[in-house]
Amino acid sequence: DTAVSQTPKYLVTQMGNDKSIKCEQNLGHDTMYWYKQDSKKFLKIMFSYNNKELIINETVPNRFSPKSPDKAHLNLHINSLELGDSAVYFCASRHLITDTQYFGPGTRLTVL
Amino acid sequence: QQQVKQSPQSLIVQKGGISIINCAYENTAFDYFPWYQQFPGKGPALLIAIRPDVSEKKEGRFTISFNKSAKQFSLHIMDSQPGDSATYFCAASMGDYKLSFGAGTTVTVRA
Repeated sequence: DTAVSQTPKYLVTQMGNDKSIKCEQNLGHDTMYWYKQDSKKFLKIMFSYNNKELIINETVPNRFSPKSPDKAHLNLHINSLELGDSAVYFCASRHLITDTQYFGPGTRLTVL
Repeated sequence: QQQVKQSPQSLIVQKGGISIINCAYENTAFDYFPWYQQFPGKGPALLIAIRPDVSEKKEGRFTISFNKSAKQFSLHIMDSQPGDSATYFCAASMGDYKLSFGAGTTVTVRA
């Protein structure tokens, strides 16, 4: 069973389009995250949700809108995609006691 | 600005050798210091983590050394194996559970 899953694995789209990435965790964790990994492999947090409530928003452009329909799911919707949005996006969830964050396999977004 | 500085950017080690990666931080409120391992095409996975009340933690061939006064911590990979070839990230967080990552170190273990 995959602990944290993301779909799609790859996403290729044109500038100006709107796209969504979905994330699901079956670990029973309350806190979930979105991270962006750029072409130099630098990982940066974008958002965090705790039990469906937004708790961290790292000055991400408002073209990015996370949504958490329930505590097992955290989706990321991106409007008006730009070339600079090309990156790998990782979803993660956090274990309450150990603080360990479990990452999904990533979604490679390419904006042409 | 980057809250955790990591070095070196890359290193090459012979099989059986020791790999050492160093990280430094400024924020004394950090209280959790994990290391993540990432293979190409995969998500990062926790390797080992330490809290500032201990100076060293060992799990198998991997050891974290922590120097609170110097605000530095390091990862030692003993008896490096080709399967250890990956990118390693140090990170730090505090009560907000927001991980601040270092820039990553690509480790190549030559057989």
